[in-house]
Amino acid sequence: DARVTQTPRHKVTEMGQEVTMRCQPILGHNTVFWYRQTMMQGLELLAYFRNRAPLDDSGMPKDRFSAEMPDATLATLKIQPSEPRDSAVYFCASGLTGSLNGYTFGSGTRLTVV
Amino acid sequence: SQKIEQNSEALNIQEGKTATLTCNYTNYSPAYLQWYRQDPGRGPVFLLLIRENEKEKRKERLKVTFDTTLKQSLFHITASQPADSATYLCVPRNFGNEKLTFGTGTRLTIIP
Repeated sequence: DARVTQTPRHKVTEMGQEVTMRCQPILGHNTVFWYRQTMMQGLELLAYFRNRAPLDDSGMPKDRFSAEMPDATLATLKIQPSEPRDSAVYFCASGLTGSLNGYTFGSGTRLTVV
Repeated sequence: SQKIEQNSEALNIQEGKTATLTCNYTNYSPAYLQWYRQDPGRGPVFLLLIRENEKEKRKERLKVTFDTTLKQSLFHITASQPADSATYLCVPRNFGNEKLTFGTGTRLTIIP
C-alpha cells in the first residue's frame, strides 16, 4: 500500500530551537497538507500545496512557521523559534485534486517543546 | 461561521450492538461528506463518503446517512467489535474546496 511518510516520528526540543518536520507524499499525489492536532483544538489545517505551489497558509503563525515543497517528493514544515505551545502532533496528508476519495495521512510527528 | 459538531466526545457500546455516531453541521451546504477513522498514534484514515443526493451508503458493516434538511449525517457500525474502537471524524466537503475541516470527533469504545 502506498503511504505518506513523515519524519521524525517523535521530537523533543528545547524552547527556542529550530524544528524541521519532513513529509514524503504518495507518488503522483499533487496536493499536500499540513495539519496540527491537539486535544484542545482537534485537527487544524496549517498549510497546503497544489502542484508544489503554496495555496493557503492562513492557519500558520507566520512569524515562526514556514512550509515549503522543494520538490514533488518532499514537503517540510519548519518552526523557528519553537515554543512550548507548539507541542502537538503534526500530520502531513496527500491526495489528488478533484478526487472525491479521502486524503492519505502520515503517522504524524509528535513534537514536544520543553 | 462554519461549525461541525459530533455527538458526545466518547461513546461506549456493547460488542455486537449497533453504534450510531452523529455529525451535525451549520453554515455549510456540503456537496458530500466524508468519514474518517483515527486510531491512537496514527493519522486519520478515510472510510467512505456520501453525496448530497444519496440518502444512504453502505460498506460492509458501515452505513452512513446524509440528511441535507437536518444538516446531519449518521454513521452506523453494525455488529460492532472491539476492533472498531477508535475516534471517528466527519468532514463536510464541497467540490473545488480541497481543504478538509474536521469535526471534533467521537471516541468510540466497543466493550467486549
